[in-house]
This record gives sequence, structure tokens and C-alpha cells, in this order.
Amino acid sequence: QKEVEQNSGPLSVPEGAIASLNCTYSDRGSQSFFWYRQYSGKSPELIMSIYSNGDKEDGRFTAQLNKASQYVSLLIRDSQPSDSATYLCAVTYSGGGADGLTFGKGTHLIIQP
Amino acid sequence: DAGITQSPRHKVTETGTPVTLRCHQTENHRYMYWYRQDPGHGLRLIHYSYGVKDTDKGEVSDGYSVSRSKTEDFLLTLESATSSQTSVYFCAISESWTTQETQYFGPGTRLLVL
Repeated sequence: QKEVEQNSGPLSVPEGAIASLNCTYSDRGSQSFFWYRQYSGKSPELIMSIYSNGDKEDGRFTAQLNKASQYVSLLIRDSQPSDSATYLCAVTYSGGGADGLTFGKGTHLIIQP
Repeated sequence: DAGITQSPRHKVTETGTPVTLRCHQTENHRYMYWYRQDPGHGLRLIHYSYGVKDTDKGEVSDGYSVSRSKTEDFLLTLESATSSQTSVYFCAISESWTTQETQYFGPGTRLLVL
């Protein structure tokens, strides 16, 4: 059973603080992990991908992966009101082909000015 | 933005009528996907294509068919629309299906079945 779990939120964070978004997955063999941002009424856009344990930083965004705990997170530093969106976690399952990418339901993030 | 367009962007139709949604890409990517997004369910794969005339079912394929006669176009057809197919439909593309391959999404089509 492919499962990707996220807290639906809303997660409310003050402007300038660190927003922490979490995702757990069920398949230990999963290999690739993605974070997409989706503004209301818009399509998902990729913001980060991570494939190995540890941290990956890109500007204000840091993705963290812990395969032993089957846990991936996204940190947003110096949160801005423009970061308010729904964040989707996606996982590629082991043995999956083109149908192997599974999405979580998303976490709604609100940055309060 | 990846060169992906979807048409129509909005559609209202009645139960029992056929509906076709079109996805067009200018990236020459081999893989194309159709997803639906519903509150409480997230994004779910309907069908995907791995080449011209090569398609396969996804998680929620019942009631849908697809066709791909050209690399750039992927059509999704609801043979007889039902109210349960009211949703937002997204097309996505990728160069390959390898586990590290990123999917890029089109702008979406909002479909309302009355």
C-alpha cells in the first residue's frame, strides 16, 4: 500500500520565522522525494527534490531526509507572506514505474504578517 | 514554466455527456500523465503514457480513457460524465520515468458535471 502522510494544517507561522513541514511514507524502498508548492487555484510547482539522507539547501528552503525513520521534511527560513500555499510531498516508490509517484494530501501553510 | 497547455481551462457539462480534455506540450517529453485533484484525496493518477500510442492505467482509471497519437498531445476522455468526475484535472510531463525524474504540471482544467 503506497501511503504518503502529511498534516493537513492549516499551519500558521509568523512572518520571518521558520516554517517546518513534515511528511512520512510507508515504503522503505522509496528512493526519490519531492516537495511541490501549490497556490490556491494554481498547479503544483516543484521547489525541492532530495534523494539521499541528510539535508539539501536551496536558498531559503531546506529539505531533510531520514530514510531510517521514513521521514522527509521541508524547512522554510525567513517565512514570507508569499510562502502561504499548500505544500505537497511526493514519493517515488521502489519498483514503481511511471505510475510510481505518490502524493500526500498536502499541508496548508499560512504566513501571518 | 514547462511548455504545457491544457484545454479547455474550465468546463461545465451535464451527466451522461462525453467530455474530452486536451494536454499539449512543447518539450518533446516522452512521458505524459493525467491526474485529478479532489479535496481530501490529493493528486491521484488516472492514466499515463510512455510514448505515442503507449498508455497505461493509474490508480483511478475507471470511467476514463486516453489517447496519444502524437508526442505533443495527450487526450483524456470521459465517455459518459458523472457527478463524481467533477474535479480539477492536471496534466504532467517528464522526460523519463526514472525514480529521480521530476514531473512538471500544466495549468489544470476545472470540470463541473451537473
